[in-house]
Amino acid sequence: QKEVEQDPGPLSVPEGAIVSLNCTYSNSAFQYFMWYRQYSRKGPELLMYTYSSGNKEDGRFTAQVDKSSKYISLFIRDSQPSDSATYLCAMSSGGGADGLTFGKGTHLIIQP
Amino acid sequence: DTAVSQTPKYLVTQMGNDKSIKCEQNLGHDTMYWYKQDSKKFLKIMFSYNNKELIINETVPNRFSPKSPDKAHLNLHINSLELGDSAVYFCASSPGLAGGPSTDTQYFGPGTRLTVL
Repeated sequence: QKEVEQDPGPLSVPEGAIVSLNCTYSNSAFQYFMWYRQYSRKGPELLMYTYSSGNKEDGRFTAQVDKSSKYISLFIRDSQPSDSATYLCAMSSGGGADGLTFGKGTHLIIQP
Repeated sequence: DTAVSQTPKYLVTQMGNDKSIKCEQNLGHDTMYWYKQDSKKFLKIMFSYNNKELIINETVPNRFSPKSPDKAHLNLHINSLELGDSAVYFCASSPGLAGGPSTDTQYFGPGTRLTVL
């Protein structure tokens, strides 16, 4: 079993829809959870950062972490065509110098 | 303005050659990383450096060697290139070892697309 599971998609939704992206993980030591957005032929860009369980909201984006279920989510409200990208979940156990363990990414397409 | 920069952006070379990729960050971060993204877009950590010390060395062939002349630079040298080394290599940096919220956030460079023929 891979450490982090993420559905690669593609996930295609109409503009304005609410998008839900998810990851599951197996390592209970993970306590820092991130979502990155990657446009084609670009580097990953940090979107959201969450420590331990709970919710965090930033504009149209909401990140949720449920450590008891080992499940994290990213919600995008009022989705725009510019949101079309690959979304990667990432996590670490902390310590400052840990590399991140990434999911494979979900390819999201927002149809105008 | 660029936070994490890499050169070159594209690298095409023959099998067996030796090549280097350079990375620089102007964020004042303490820790830098190299990741490999394969053809299936899977990002995997290769190395991290903190204050010139190698912190993580995942199961990467010893043909790959990171070199950090100072805190702002982490270069990647690859010897005897193989076809399977073709991938996109990303450099990243993070604030470092203090731990706790915000210090595990990593900022990525634009990537170097390596093609081995």
